[in-house]
Amino acid sequence: GNSVTQMEGPVTLSEEAFLTINCTYTATGYPSLFWYVQYPGEGLQLLLKATKADDKGSNKGFEATYRKETTSFHLEKGSVQVSDSAVYFCALYENNDMRFGAGTRLTVKP
Amino acid sequence: KAGVTQTPRYLIKTRGQQVTLSCSPISGHRSVSWYQQTPGQGLQFLFEYFSETQRNKGNFPGRFSGRQFSNSRSEMNVSTLELGDSALYLCASSPTITGLVEAFFGQGTRLTVV
Repeated sequence: GNSVTQMEGPVTLSEEAFLTINCTYTATGYPSLFWYVQYPGEGLQLLLKATKADDKGSNKGFEATYRKETTSFHLEKGSVQVSDSAVYFCALYENNDMRFGAGTRLTVKP
Repeated sequence: KAGVTQTPRYLIKTRGQQVTLSCSPISGHRSVSWYQQTPGQGLQFLFEYFSETQRNKGNFPGRFSGRQFSNSRSEMNVSTLELGDSALYLCASSPTITGLVEAFFGQGTRLTVV
């Protein structure tokens, strides 16, 4: 079946550091890929998405590129802020089946 | 525009009891899906409703059930509660028929079973 694997956290960075959170997936066909973010005490929010190979999703300085050859959708940000501290979830959707990764907790220190 | 509203926010129940959780989607959204979030298992899909019909169901026992009303509001019910049912239950709504995409999540109901 389909699955999503994320790098384990927690990840702790200093403000303005570069962020990468790795995400790889297993799917039978051509899924859509997503990154969701969960701030403390809140539900998940869609951060960005990509629906086909080589698409780049971007939002709020975050980017992720759908790489079919490596079945990856790594999340990157060039300069993180304290307000980016949250849990990040990679997810895929295919044939009415939605799968989430385990989540990666990011803490950004001033 | 109001977001997805889940009630109650917190709930404590005893093993063997049953519980009903409520979700009011964003106005105009007809698709509602439910997820269970635990530290051990992460986010797991429970079920999805669109126009009062269950469209998809995750791999959960029959103790977990749900329904959707004509105004798109949804409830999920868990009967014969077990300690392992303690979790954050998240509801998400979507404007699209493929409800598992572009989902907007509520803050969740934290259920503790003692």
